[in-house]
Amino acid sequence: DIVMTQSPDSLTVSLGERATINCKSSQSLLDRSNNRNYLNWYQQKPGQPPRLLIYWSSTRESGVPDRFSGSGSGTDFTLTINSLQTEDVAVYYCQQYYTPPLTFGQGTRLEIK
Amino acid sequence: EVKLVESGGDLVQPGGSLRLSCTAFGFIFSSHWMHWVRQVPGKGLEWVSRSNNDQSDRTYAGSVKGRFTIARDNAKNTLYLQMNSLRAEDTAVYYCAREAVWSLDVWGQGTTVTVSS
Repeated sequence: DIVMTQSPDSLTVSLGERATINCKSSQSLLDRSNNRNYLNWYQQKPGQPPRLLIYWSSTRESGVPDRFSGSGSGTDFTLTINSLQTEDVAVYYCQQYYTPPLTFGQGTRLEIK
Repeated sequence: EVKLVESGGDLVQPGGSLRLSCTAFGFIFSSHWMHWVRQVPGKGLEWVSRSNNDQSDRTYAGSVKGRFTIARDNAKNTLYLQMNSLRAEDTAVYYCAREAVWSLDVWGQGTTVTVSS
């Protein structure tokens, strides 16, 4: 199985500042036939189901604010949240869909300073 | 409105069985692969199973293989998860999710399964 490892486990950032969450996979998630990375990012707020933010490593889901961006390729990926807002307090998960079983990172808890 | 509604969660004894349901609204259910994902309260997400459009391709996590069966009735817009030989470690909130573009773009609110004597 592909192991997904996120860092840090928790993060405290001031309002209006930038938050950066990293995700590393145990094998490449890049499909060279189409140059797509099968890496997704989700946001989960307390008491709610996860919400898809980013797919294919860097494509923002419809309705997701443009302060959220994803980058990376192969085995190393980053979720960046610019101009942090209070509503961004949540746990963030990366997830690979390169090959089943689908696997998630352990999550990164984001809090406001 | 596009939504998924799960039901069937309950308290069940170890070794028992339970069937979860997930009914889809607002989209063409038969056009989408569907998944089950679970989450122990306060913990991370664990993928459980997926089914393609016509159930000809069904995949499971190793932790549930041989005990859980995913199924779907496209005429009823409903996804199922039959869970047998339940263990304490199966206790979790179970979410169904719709697949789109190799991601899970719509999630239900979840249904709670508790395995305890």
